[in-house]
Amino acid sequence: QQQVKQSPQSLIVQKGGISIINCAYENTAFDYFPWYQQFPGKGPALLIAIRPDVSEKKEGRFTISFNKSAKQFSLHIMDSQPGDSATYFCAASDSGSARQLTFGSGTQLTVLP
Amino acid sequence: KAGVTQTPRYLIKTRGQQVTLSCSPISGHRSVSWYQQTPGQGLQFLFEYFSETQRNKGNFPGRFSGRQFSNSRSEMNVSTLELGDSALYLCASIAGFGSDTQYFGPGTRLTVL
Repeated sequence: QQQVKQSPQSLIVQKGGISIINCAYENTAFDYFPWYQQFPGKGPALLIAIRPDVSEKKEGRFTISFNKSAKQFSLHIMDSQPGDSATYFCAASDSGSARQLTFGSGTQLTVLP
Repeated sequence: KAGVTQTPRYLIKTRGQQVTLSCSPISGHRSVSWYQQTPGQGLQFLFEYFSETQRNKGNFPGRFSGRQFSNSRSEMNVSTLELGDSALYLCASIAGFGSDTQYFGPGTRLTVL
């Protein structure tokens, strides 16, 4: 089964701290790894995405680290803010066949003021 | 550019009824994917359409169907509704063949009584 395992389920961080969310995948055909942020009552919003040919990608306070040999990737949120409090989903897809995203189970992030 | 539009935003149906949900992708985008989001199962892929053709379908019963029109707008239909079909149904817009980035709409909240 094509699974993406995400941890932790919930995370509480102080304002200004670093939030780290981890994901692991099984299907070696996956070659596109996006992260989505979802607020209550809203659809998921694309944050940042990475492909296996790079080990790290940074956009503002958000960084993806990718370890192809371990089949793991993680999201780091630097200088976390209360406005970052949301549910974060990692996902993966095999662009060679179709754009079916397989999602992780989500991480509920709370940033305390 | 306008984002992804989904209608209706909220819907209440009873068991046994059928429902049709609509999605208008971002202008110029030619591909649409549908996902079901529930607290128990998370985000699950339903199907993807490109140029009016279904490219891929997830592991859902035949009661779930969809189609795409020549203007890229898409509809999904669920027949003989069951209580377990209560979910947030999300539509994602994809630029076209060769693009992986999926932009989600706000979703339709379906409640089956």
